[in-house]
Amino acid sequence: LAKTTQPISMDSYEGQEVNITCSHNNIATNDYITWYQQFPSQGPRFIIQGYKTKVTNEVASLFIPADRKSSTLSLPRVSLSDTAVYYCLVGDWSSGSARQLTFGSGTQLTVLP
Amino acid sequence: GAVVSQHPSWVICKSGTSVKIECRSLDFQATTMFWYRQFPKQSLMLMATSNEGSKATYEQGVEKDKFLINHASLTLSTLTVTSAHPEDSSFYICSARDHLLTLSQNTGELFFGEGSRLTVL
Repeated sequence: LAKTTQPISMDSYEGQEVNITCSHNNIATNDYITWYQQFPSQGPRFIIQGYKTKVTNEVASLFIPADRKSSTLSLPRVSLSDTAVYYCLVGDWSSGSARQLTFGSGTQLTVLP
Repeated sequence: GAVVSQHPSWVICKSGTSVKIECRSLDFQATTMFWYRQFPKQSLMLMATSNEGSKATYEQGVEKDKFLINHASLTLSTLTVTSAHPEDSSFYICSARDHLLTLSQNTGELFFGEGSRLTVL
């Protein structure tokens, strides 16, 4: 399995940019990287997905270096409502395997006023 | 975006009884749905993969006779916790992939339900 490693927790202040890095040294050629956000007592919510280089959407950016052994989720100008657990997952959708469904420990982001 | 709905949101039951949790994809077809369990302050743990029209695939260590999964249609999967005990108390979450979207794009996102909080007394 492409195991992922993330920091357990991070603190930030409102208005700052937050970067959460995920290591996935054993990522396979066909694997995509996906990030999810989870609030307490809710199901995870999709944030962003990418394969290489940089992906940007309306809520975040995802930076993936050339070797793809890590990825960084960037949240611009965080607010208190961004306090949540963030998970990165890697896996190959085309194979239909459950590898992309394995959640790591996640990163608890706490945004302070 | 696609919506996955779970019902009930929370349930309290007596030890020894069975509880059924429903997971519905509201605006897309899902040939495959997934069931997770999450204990407080822990990550999600995949329990089983639910396949429409066939038997579910259970992860190692998950008792298939205790956690009965039925996926009778392209929009509904159910998880029944049989003879529930206090240690089964947990947050159960389902997810689904949009079947057509996954085929067309070779990528995909999982759409998660709101979760169901089970408390066994």
